[in-house]
Amino acid sequence: KQEVTQIPAALSVPEGENLVLNCSFTDSAIYNLQWFRQDPGKGLTSLLLIQSSQREQTSGRLNASLDKSSGRSTLYIAASQPGDSATYLCAVMAIQGKLIFGQGTELSVKP
Amino acid sequence: DAEITQSPRHKITETGRQVTLACHQTWNHNNMFWYRQDLGHGLRLIHYSYGVQDTNKGEVSDGYSVSRSNTEDLPLTLESAASSQTSVYFCASRVTLNTEAFFGQGTRLTVV
Repeated sequence: KQEVTQIPAALSVPEGENLVLNCSFTDSAIYNLQWFRQDPGKGLTSLLLIQSSQREQTSGRLNASLDKSSGRSTLYIAASQPGDSATYLCAVMAIQGKLIFGQGTELSVKP
Repeated sequence: DAEITQSPRHKITETGRQVTLACHQTWNHNNMFWYRQDLGHGLRLIHYSYGVQDTNKGEVSDGYSVSRSNTEDLPLTLESAASSQTSVYFCASRVTLNTEAFFGQGTRLTVV
């Protein structure tokens, strides 16, 4: 059974700091991995999608990496801003056709 | 713009009533999913569909049903609402399993 874990559960950093969020998964048989952002009381916004054959994807200040063999992905946020405060979720698209989520990392960026 | 919409956004219902939550997407995506989100449990898959007339059970499907009569819609029905089904429900869709998934804004359901 595929399990997805995100560490840490919560993170507080000062504005301007570079930070890394971690995601690990137990079964490497995946189609892809997707990172989402969720603001309080809102839906999920897609940030980046990495196919299983890719090593990384970049969008603006965000860079996501994928090491399928070790079951790990990281989301790097450069020069963090208070507007980056949200919960970040990773999800793997398992070969069985299910999108499995981690519990999320709640990020707070202090001005 | 193409989008995925859920209705209602908020609903309060009584224990034992049948409730249907709507999900409509205008992208013509084949794959659609229903999740519930609860504190301490994260997002859990209820049901999913790969196309018209196809439905599959997720990890928490007991007490829920779905039907897919067209590409655009995947309504979620709670057969007999229970207090344990108080949650925020999210619908998602994607073209294929290799493409990006998009989520609706969610429906907050309270069963009293």
